[in-house]
Amino acid sequence: DAGITQSPRHKVTETGTPVTLRCHQTENHRYMYWYRQDPGHGLRLIHYSYGVKDTDKGEVSDGYSVSRSKTEDFLLTLESATSSQTSVYFCAISEDTTQETQYFGPGTRLLVL
Amino acid sequence: GQSLEQPSEVTAVEGAIVQINCTYQTSGFYGLSWYQQHDGGAPTFLSYNALDGLEETGRFSSFLSRSDSYGYLLLQELQMKDSASYFCAVNSGYSTLTFGKGTMLLVSP
Repeated sequence: DAGITQSPRHKVTETGTPVTLRCHQTENHRYMYWYRQDPGHGLRLIHYSYGVKDTDKGEVSDGYSVSRSKTEDFLLTLESATSSQTSVYFCAISEDTTQETQYFGPGTRLLVL
Repeated sequence: GQSLEQPSEVTAVEGAIVQINCTYQTSGFYGLSWYQQHDGGAPTFLSYNALDGLEETGRFSSFLSRSDSYGYLLLQELQMKDSASYFCAVNSGYSTLTFGKGTMLLVSP
């Protein structure tokens, strides 16, 4: 299994508070992705990174920001959490030449009250 | 825009063969991937088709027809452990994948 961890694994927070989720990889892969998964919507891309300090928006980026200061870490921040951001968040990584093959972390379950 | 269509649910019995279809409309197309996700778990990569035809990996096969914008995942000799959600995903060449909404496969004894 690819070495990907996410922290925290579970979080409960209140509306209006900032939240940061961390994705850590030990594979030295160039590409990292953040998805959210909600019933009936499948996996939707929030942001992705194609290198240190290189990031771009995905399909559902509003209300989220990301940072990648090291190859191994990709942070997702909910600037002011809302109940609509209650979801399961997955991080994924892929190599340069095989972007169709993504390896996913275990996920973070976030509940915004 | 990009859209993928796949059935929301498929049921089958142990030992049977099941086919999960995926049709797509995308602005660019490099290939079609398939992922499996067990309840509460992380999605895992199953297969990728960049060219037309059938790719076989053990009990699982995946097919692609680029001219029809269509692909399918074929699961043979179904086992209870195959009960999971299956997602098709398009690689449009923009360093990202666009996923379908997933098909829940229920395998009964």
